[in-house]
Amino acid sequence: DTEVTQTPKHLVMGMTNKKSLKCEQHMGHRAMYWYKQKAKKPPELMFVYSYEKLSINESVPSRFSPECPNSSLLNLHLHALQPEDSALYLCASSQGDSNYEQYFGPGTRLTVT
Amino acid sequence: ELKVEQNPLFLSMQEGKNYTIYCNYSTTSDRLYWYRQDPGKSLESLFVLLSNGAVKQEGRLMASLDTKARLSTLHITAAVHDLSATYFCADGGGADGLTFGKGTHLIIQP
Repeated sequence: DTEVTQTPKHLVMGMTNKKSLKCEQHMGHRAMYWYKQKAKKPPELMFVYSYEKLSINESVPSRFSPECPNSSLLNLHLHALQPEDSALYLCASSQGDSNYEQYFGPGTRLTVT
Repeated sequence: ELKVEQNPLFLSMQEGKNYTIYCNYSTTSDRLYWYRQDPGKSLESLFVLLSNGAVKQEGRLMASLDTKARLSTLHITAAVHDLSATYFCADGGGADGLTFGKGTHLIIQP
C-alpha cells in the first residue's frame, strides 16, 4: 500500500474562517511533508515533520499551522487566509531517508474568497 | 540556496520522436528524483537516481544522473500521446524535503 490520502479534496473558505486539511498514510513512513503548488508552478515545500517533530518550517506565515498528532497523521490548520493562499496543497510521506522517494497524496484544492 | 533548473520548460513534439529533458542542480547531492504530474492531478514518482552514473528505465522513459556535472536527463523514446504531462526533477529529499525545478510541460501530438 503506497497510498497517501488527503481530505477534503476541495475547500472553499472565507478569509475569516478556520479550517483544517488532513493527511494520512499507513506505510510506516517517518517523514511527512506539506507542499503548496500554485497554478503552472512547481510545488514549494512548507513544512517537514520527521519522527513526529517539526524539523523544517520554510518561513511560512503563521496563518498556516501544522500539526502531527501521530506518525500516520498530518494536519494543516488554516486561519485568516488571504486570496493569494488559494492553491493546491499537497501532502507527502517518505521513509525519511533520501534513498527513497516521497509519495504524494491527491491534494486539497483550496480557494480563499 | 538550492537551485534546480530544467530545460526546456515547454516542449511540443510528434509521436514517434525522441527527445531529452535536462535538469541541472546546484548542490553536491548524489541523488535526484523525477516526477510526473497530469493536469489537475498530484505527483507520481517516476525515478529515484541514487548515485553517479545511475541509469533507470521504465517503458519509453530513461533517466540518468551525472553528479560531477550536476546534471540529470530524462530521455523519451518514440513518444506516444499518453506521455503528455508535466515532468519535474527535484533535488534534496529525506528530512530536507524536495526542491523542484520549474517543470517541463510536454505535449505529444499525433
